[in-house]
Amino acid sequence: AQKITQTQPGMFVQEKEAVTLDCTYDTSDPSYGLFWYKQPSSGEMIFLIYQGSYDQQNATEGRYSLNFQKARKSANLVISASQLGDSAMYFCAMRGANKLIFGTGTLLAVQP
Amino acid sequence: GAVVSQHPSWVICKSGTSVKIECRSLDFQATTMFWYRQFPKQSLMLMATSNEGSKATYEQGVEKDKFLINHASLTLSTLTVTSAHPEDSSFYICSARDLFGRGRETQYFGPGTRLLVL
Repeated sequence: AQKITQTQPGMFVQEKEAVTLDCTYDTSDPSYGLFWYKQPSSGEMIFLIYQGSYDQQNATEGRYSLNFQKARKSANLVISASQLGDSAMYFCAMRGANKLIFGTGTLLAVQP
Repeated sequence: GAVVSQHPSWVICKSGTSVKIECRSLDFQATTMFWYRQFPKQSLMLMATSNEGSKATYEQGVEKDKFLINHASLTLSTLTVTSAHPEDSSFYICSARDLFGRGRETQYFGPGTRLLVL
């Protein structure tokens, strides 16, 4: 069975500092994809970053980077230079068997 | 980027009525669309996978007769909550997969529909 685990229900970070959001996964499929989405209070799901299981390098998208450690089955999201607008719920997700499965989310609060 | 729309964005209805939610991919074709439900302060739970021209695949525990899904074209999927009850009140989000796999990320989400059943 596939599973996504986010152990941090909530986090605080100071503006302009970097923050790491944890995500671990479990799957027996050799091919899978890992995603991070941001969900602000409006509810929309905003795609942030994607990492394929066969990708050799860690994915980066602007201030977002994914620390992919395949042996540890972890896909942590790193947000550099946090901004007040980064305050939101963050979900890690994994695609396998034609489905996108989500973790429980981490609520990030950026403090001025 | 690719856009997925949902209509309505919110709906309030009386218990026992049926509610239809539309999900459209605006600038790409989607053979597969997904319907999720999210309760307050919880994660997204996949309800069903909608395939164009065929029957939807429902997740375990989701009532097929309660949540009717139709994917009549490559750009439209509808979710009908039949005989809605207060416990069906939730945030419903659709997602569409780009047929041609545009870019690395090929699954886009709609803005969601908030359903409140009184």
